[in-house]
Amino acid sequence: KAGVTQTPRYLIKTRGQQVTLSCSPISGHRSVSWYQQTPGQGLQFLFEYFSETQRNKGNFPGRFSGRQFSNSRSEMNVSTLELGDSALYLCASSPVGGFTDTQYFGPGTRLTVL
Amino acid sequence: AQRVTQPEKLLSVFKGAPVELKCNYSYSGSPELFWYVQYSRQRLQLLLRHISRESIKGFTADLNKGETSFHLKKPFAQEEDSAMYYCALLAGGGNKLTFGTGTQLKVEL
Repeated sequence: KAGVTQTPRYLIKTRGQQVTLSCSPISGHRSVSWYQQTPGQGLQFLFEYFSETQRNKGNFPGRFSGRQFSNSRSEMNVSTLELGDSALYLCASSPVGGFTDTQYFGPGTRLTVL
Repeated sequence: AQRVTQPEKLLSVFKGAPVELKCNYSYSGSPELFWYVQYSRQRLQLLLRHISRESIKGFTADLNKGETSFHLKKPFAQEEDSAMYYCALLAGGGNKLTFGTGTQLKVEL
């Protein structure tokens, strides 16, 4: 079974621009979660989508948004980029979510904001 | 709000020595706790979850609600155990994980 894939793997943007990251979950998985990883803050939950609906949301500003398509693929968008948005963005998928599920992580998208 | 604390950024042990990676949590409800591991150049992956009460790669972790801890232990460290270890808490429905800051385990020969 193919693992979680994320595209692109690397991105360089400048302040003020916007960016869209993509995540393809494992086939059959309906829950997709996004995390931001930085050296200073560690791994922080952004949001989770399940069956095209946002089910959980972390404490990030409204510049961070996401969506999920009917095939469970998910995108996250960051508008008006700031230097502090430079991070590794991880996507994880699981069948339905919850403590009995296992979340499978993708390799991440490394975003650099100049 | 929930919080997960891993007090050690780096833990260095010799091969064959016991390992204990500390994790403390704060959460008002009934927590579901996990240990995730990231080996060099690999993806973050689940190591074990408390509800399974299983031993994976010789690692075990016991949830102590009185001390709000979920320490990861292994009696004899192996070189291949060198990795970054994250303790995580799942609260509420869905898949919202709160991670600790991680502990880098280095097993020396």
